[in-house]
Amino acid sequence: DAGITQSPRHKVTETGTPVTLRCHQTENHRYMYWYRQDPGHGLRLIHYSYGVKDTDKGEVSDGYSVSRSKTEDFLLTLESATSSQTSVYFCAIRRRVAGGPASPDTQYFGPGTRLTVL
Amino acid sequence: GEDVEQSLFLSVREGDSSVINCTYTDSSSTYLYWYKQEPGAGLQLLTYIFSNMDMKQDQRLTVLLNKKDKHLSLRIADTQTGDSAIYFCAPTPGNTDKLIFGTGTRLQVFP
Repeated sequence: DAGITQSPRHKVTETGTPVTLRCHQTENHRYMYWYRQDPGHGLRLIHYSYGVKDTDKGEVSDGYSVSRSKTEDFLLTLESATSSQTSVYFCAIRRRVAGGPASPDTQYFGPGTRLTVL
Repeated sequence: GEDVEQSLFLSVREGDSSVINCTYTDSSSTYLYWYKQEPGAGLQLLTYIFSNMDMKQDQRLTVLLNKKDKHLSLRIADTQTGDSAIYFCAPTPGNTDKLIFGTGTRLQVFP
């Protein structure tokens, strides 16, 4: 358990409406990530953050914005949702793999948010 | 960019071994990871291998890495119904922390 919660867990919305998804972590990790998961595509990175107010784009950032005003919260906003943004959204944090100082850092994932845009 | 390919489905009988394969195009990864996703859940880290190793064993899991052929595999011994899930291969090209995911292999275990 990486201490990550996502809210809401499920959401149905209509085309053209704004939507904000929240990722909350309790362990003070610096790096946070937003992915989307679609059949046939695996997970694709939308945006990531390397600190408060420090964010950057991933491979599928069009139509999405993010904000990180506190270490513990990373928000993903769809300014005007489209049907192509129907997906499962996962948040992740980066931390060291258990096993000692020689272990790598990698990403640990939240439970996901299923978003349907009608 | 990096391409990661996995076959979509694998079906095995309970008690048999499962082998999930992954090929990738960028050979610069320092670490390569395997994640497991159970239905309705997020991804959980299963295991990883350092790029200067060719094999890593972790209880029922064996990871094989062939850097020359850019091929990674995950073997699960004595596969159980609880192993039914989607398995993702994730290299980290460019020696960064950015994971590039394959499409995932859905493992189905039948009695």
